[in-house]
Amino acid sequence: QSVLTQPPSVSGAPGQRVSISCTGSSSNIGSGYDVYWYQQLPGTAPKLLIFANTNRPLGVPDRFSGSRSGTSASLAVTGLQAEDEAYYYCQSYDNSPRSWVFGGGTKLTVL
Amino acid sequence: QVQLVESGGGLVKPGGSLRLSCAASGFDFSDYYFGWIRQPPGKGLEWLSIITTSGASIYYADSVRGRFTISRDNAKNSLYLQMNSLRAEDSAVYYCARVRGYCAGGNCYLDSWGQGTLVTVSS
Repeated sequence: QSVLTQPPSVSGAPGQRVSISCTGSSSNIGSGYDVYWYQQLPGTAPKLLIFANTNRPLGVPDRFSGSRSGTSASLAVTGLQAEDEAYYYCQSYDNSPRSWVFGGGTKLTVL
Repeated sequence: QVQLVESGGGLVKPGGSLRLSCAASGFDFSDYYFGWIRQPPGKGLEWLSIITTSGASIYYADSVRGRFTISRDNAKNSLYLQMNSLRAEDSAVYYCARVRGYCAGGNCYLDSWGQGTLVTVSS
Protein backbone atom coordinates (compact mmCIF):
# COMPACT_ATOMS: atom_id res chain seq x y z
CA GLN A 1 0.00 0.00 0.00
CA SER A 2 1.64 3.22 -1.19
CA VAL A 3 1.63 6.39 0.89
CA LEU A 4 0.68 8.29 -2.27
CA THR A 5 -2.42 6.93 -4.00
CA GLN A 6 -2.75 6.86 -7.78
CA PRO A 7 -5.46 5.27 -9.93
CA PRO A 8 -4.19 1.97 -11.36
CA SER A 9 -5.14 2.95 -14.89
CA VAL A 10 -6.47 5.75 -17.08
CA SER A 11 -7.15 5.82 -20.79
CA GLY A 12 -7.98 8.21 -23.58
CA ALA A 13 -8.18 8.45 -27.33
CA PRO A 14 -5.51 10.16 -29.41
CA GLY A 15 -5.82 13.92 -29.16
CA GLN A 16 -7.79 13.82 -25.92
CA ARG A 17 -6.82 15.07 -22.47
CA VAL A 18 -6.33 12.82 -19.47
CA SER A 19 -5.47 13.55 -15.87
CA ILE A 20 -3.72 11.35 -13.30
CA SER A 21 -4.26 12.09 -9.62
CA CYS A 22 -1.82 11.58 -6.75
CA THR A 23 -3.52 11.70 -3.37
CA GLY A 24 -1.45 12.12 -0.25
CA SER A 25 -2.00 13.33 3.29
CA SER A 26 -1.00 15.95 5.84
CA SER A 27 2.36 14.24 6.39
CA ASN A 28 3.49 14.52 2.79
CA ILE A 29 1.92 16.67 0.06
CA GLY A 30 -0.25 18.46 2.63
CA SER A 31 2.87 19.53 4.53
CA GLY A 32 3.99 21.48 1.48
CA TYR A 33 6.51 19.02 0.09
CA ASP A 34 6.96 19.23 -3.65
CA VAL A 35 5.59 16.60 -6.02
CA TYR A 36 7.51 15.09 -8.91
CA TRP A 37 6.33 12.94 -11.81
CA TYR A 38 8.14 10.24 -13.74
CA GLN A 39 7.26 8.45 -16.97
CA GLN A 40 8.27 4.83 -17.48
CA LEU A 41 7.94 3.56 -21.02
CA PRO A 42 7.69 -0.23 -21.47
CA GLY A 43 10.98 -1.95 -20.70
CA THR A 44 12.85 1.22 -19.83
CA ALA A 45 13.99 3.15 -16.78
CA PRO A 46 11.82 5.93 -15.36
CA LYS A 47 12.36 9.42 -16.74
CA LEU A 48 11.75 12.71 -14.93
CA LEU A 49 8.67 14.41 -16.37
CA ILE A 50 7.75 17.17 -13.88
CA PHE A 51 9.75 18.61 -10.98
CA ALA A 52 8.70 20.89 -8.14
CA ASN A 53 4.99 20.44 -8.89
CA THR A 54 4.73 22.31 -12.16
CA ASN A 55 8.11 22.49 -13.90
CA ARG A 56 9.14 20.57 -17.03
CA PRO A 57 12.76 19.57 -17.66
CA LEU A 58 14.23 20.57 -21.00
CA GLY A 59 12.90 18.34 -23.75
CA VAL A 60 9.61 17.40 -22.10
CA PRO A 61 6.72 18.53 -24.32
CA ASP A 62 4.37 21.18 -22.97
CA ARG A 63 1.53 18.69 -23.45
CA PHE A 64 2.53 17.50 -19.97
CA SER A 65 1.65 19.71 -17.00
CA GLY A 66 1.56 19.31 -13.24
CA SER A 67 -0.35 20.91 -10.42
CA ARG A 68 -0.60 20.60 -6.64
CA SER A 69 -3.36 21.61 -4.26
CA GLY A 70 -3.88 20.73 -0.63
CA THR A 71 -3.01 17.07 -0.09
CA SER A 72 -3.11 16.11 -3.78
CA ALA A 73 -1.38 16.63 -7.07
CA SER A 74 -2.26 15.95 -10.69
CA LEU A 75 -0.52 15.28 -13.96
CA ALA A 76 -2.38 16.33 -17.10
CA VAL A 77 -1.58 15.14 -20.59
CA THR A 78 -3.21 16.98 -23.47
CA GLY A 79 -3.22 16.03 -27.16
CA LEU A 80 -2.65 12.36 -26.30
CA GLN A 81 -0.28 10.49 -28.57
CA ALA A 82 0.41 6.78 -28.90
CA GLU A 83 3.94 7.33 -27.56
CA ASP A 84 2.47 8.56 -24.25
CA GLU A 85 1.38 5.01 -23.39
CA ALA A 86 3.41 4.28 -20.26
CA TYR A 87 3.34 4.05 -16.49
CA TYR A 88 3.39 7.33 -14.57
CA TYR A 89 4.60 7.68 -10.98
CA CYS A 90 4.30 10.59 -8.56
CA GLN A 91 6.91 11.13 -5.84
CA SER A 92 7.16 13.30 -2.75
CA TYR A 93 8.50 13.24 0.81
CA ASP A 94 6.75 11.99 3.93
CA ASN A 95 7.74 13.27 7.35
CA SER A 96 6.22 10.37 9.28
CA PRO A 97 8.29 8.30 8.87
CA ARG A 98 10.91 10.46 7.24
CA SER A 99 11.27 9.01 3.78
CA TRP A 100 10.94 9.72 0.09
CA VAL A 101 7.89 8.01 -1.32
CA PHE A 102 6.41 7.05 -4.67
CA GLY A 103 2.84 6.55 -5.69
CA GLY A 104 1.84 3.08 -6.83
CA GLY A 105 1.90 4.07 -10.48
CA THR A 106 -0.76 4.61 -13.15
CA LYS A 107 -0.86 2.89 -16.50
CA LEU A 108 -1.91 5.27 -19.26
CA THR A 109 -3.44 3.53 -22.24
CA VAL A 110 -3.97 5.34 -25.53
CA LEU A 111 -7.02 3.78 -27.15
CA GLN B 1 25.53 13.58 -21.97
CA VAL B 2 24.68 12.20 -18.56
CA GLN B 3 25.17 8.44 -18.43
CA LEU B 4 24.69 6.04 -15.53
CA VAL B 5 25.44 2.35 -16.01
CA GLU B 6 24.66 -0.22 -13.33
CA SER B 7 26.30 -3.62 -13.04
CA GLY B 8 26.65 -6.45 -10.58
CA GLY B 9 23.16 -7.90 -10.58
CA GLY B 10 22.46 -11.60 -10.82
CA LEU B 11 21.08 -14.66 -9.07
CA VAL B 12 21.91 -15.09 -5.39
CA LYS B 13 20.64 -17.45 -2.70
CA PRO B 14 18.65 -16.19 0.30
CA GLY B 15 21.03 -14.95 2.96
CA GLY B 16 23.68 -14.18 0.38
CA SER B 17 25.39 -10.94 -0.62
CA LEU B 18 25.82 -8.91 -3.77
CA ARG B 19 27.54 -5.63 -4.60
CA LEU B 20 26.05 -3.36 -7.23
CA SER B 21 28.06 -0.71 -9.02
CA CYS B 22 27.02 2.37 -10.98
CA ALA B 23 29.50 4.07 -13.30
CA ALA B 24 28.79 7.70 -14.09
CA SER B 25 29.99 9.85 -16.96
CA GLY B 26 29.19 13.07 -18.77
CA PHE B 27 29.12 15.36 -15.71
CA ASP B 28 31.06 16.16 -12.53
CA PHE B 29 30.16 13.17 -10.36
CA SER B 30 31.47 14.70 -7.13
CA ASP B 31 29.02 17.60 -7.32
CA TYR B 32 25.88 15.50 -6.91
CA TYR B 33 24.01 13.36 -4.43
CA PHE B 34 23.04 9.91 -5.67
CA GLY B 35 20.43 7.34 -4.82
CA TRP B 36 19.41 3.71 -5.31
CA ILE B 37 15.82 2.82 -6.20
CA ARG B 38 14.37 -0.62 -6.87
CA GLN B 39 11.40 -2.02 -8.73
CA PRO B 40 10.20 -5.60 -8.15
CA PRO B 41 9.01 -7.31 -11.35
CA GLY B 42 5.63 -5.89 -12.37
CA LYS B 43 5.47 -3.57 -9.37
CA GLY B 44 6.16 0.03 -8.42
CA LEU B 45 9.21 2.01 -7.35
CA GLU B 46 10.85 2.09 -3.92
CA TRP B 47 13.47 4.64 -2.90
CA LEU B 48 16.18 2.78 -0.95
CA SER B 49 19.06 5.08 -0.16
CA ILE B 50 20.65 8.48 -0.75
CA ILE B 51 24.28 9.53 -0.29
CA THR B 52 25.58 13.09 -0.17
CA THR B 53 28.46 14.44 -2.24
CA SER B 54 31.17 13.49 0.25
CA GLY B 55 29.38 10.45 1.64
CA ALA B 56 29.14 12.10 5.03
CA SER B 57 25.34 11.81 5.17
CA ILE B 58 23.34 8.78 4.17
CA TYR B 59 19.66 7.85 4.21
CA TYR B 60 18.21 4.34 4.17
CA ALA B 61 14.66 3.11 3.83
CA ASP B 62 13.51 1.02 6.78
CA SER B 63 13.23 -2.03 4.51
CA VAL B 64 17.00 -2.16 3.90
CA ARG B 65 18.57 -0.33 6.86
CA GLY B 66 21.17 -2.55 8.54
CA ARG B 67 21.42 -4.88 5.53
CA PHE B 68 22.36 -2.56 2.64
CA THR B 69 25.26 -0.08 2.52
CA ILE B 70 25.57 2.73 0.01
CA SER B 71 28.98 4.20 -0.79
CA ARG B 72 30.75 6.19 -3.47
CA ASP B 73 34.22 6.72 -4.89
CA ASN B 74 34.44 10.21 -6.37
CA ALA B 75 37.86 9.45 -7.86
CA LYS B 76 36.33 6.61 -9.84
CA ASN B 77 33.01 8.35 -10.61
CA SER B 78 31.26 5.36 -9.11
CA LEU B 79 28.40 4.58 -6.77
CA TYR B 80 27.96 1.27 -4.95
CA LEU B 81 25.33 -0.70 -3.07
CA GLN B 82 26.49 -3.54 -0.86
CA MET B 83 23.56 -5.86 -0.18
CA ASN B 84 23.80 -8.44 2.60
CA SER B 85 21.34 -10.91 4.12
CA LEU B 86 19.33 -10.90 0.93
CA ARG B 87 15.72 -12.09 0.97
CA ALA B 88 13.32 -13.19 -1.75
CA GLU B 89 11.49 -9.88 -1.42
CA ASP B 90 14.68 -8.04 -2.41
CA SER B 91 14.32 -9.43 -5.94
CA ALA B 92 13.97 -6.42 -8.22
CA VAL B 93 15.55 -4.24 -10.86
CA TYR B 94 17.90 -1.87 -9.05
CA TYR B 95 18.41 1.61 -10.48
CA CYS B 96 20.99 4.20 -9.59
CA ALA B 97 19.94 7.80 -10.12
CA ARG B 98 21.35 11.29 -9.81
CA VAL B 99 19.64 13.34 -7.12
CA ARG B 100 18.71 17.01 -7.45
CA GLY B 101 16.98 19.49 -5.19
CA TYR B 102 17.24 20.23 -1.49
CA CYS B 103 17.22 16.86 0.25
CA ALA B 104 17.68 18.25 3.74
CA GLY B 105 14.28 19.88 3.31
CA GLY B 106 12.75 16.80 1.77
CA ASN B 107 12.41 18.28 -1.68
CA CYS B 108 14.73 16.20 -3.78
CA TYR B 109 14.16 14.14 -6.86
CA LEU B 110 15.84 11.97 -9.47
CA ASP B 111 16.77 13.71 -12.70
CA SER B 112 18.80 10.98 -14.44
CA TRP B 113 18.49 7.20 -14.13
CA GLY B 114 20.57 4.24 -15.19
CA GLN B 115 19.09 1.36 -17.16
CA GLY B 116 18.91 -0.87 -14.09
CA THR B 117 20.37 -4.21 -13.08
CA LEU B 118 18.26 -7.24 -12.11
CA VAL B 119 18.77 -8.95 -8.78
CA THR B 120 17.06 -12.29 -8.21
CA VAL B 121 17.11 -13.87 -4.77
CA SER B 122 16.14 -17.50 -4.98
CA SER B 123 17.32 -20.91 -3.84
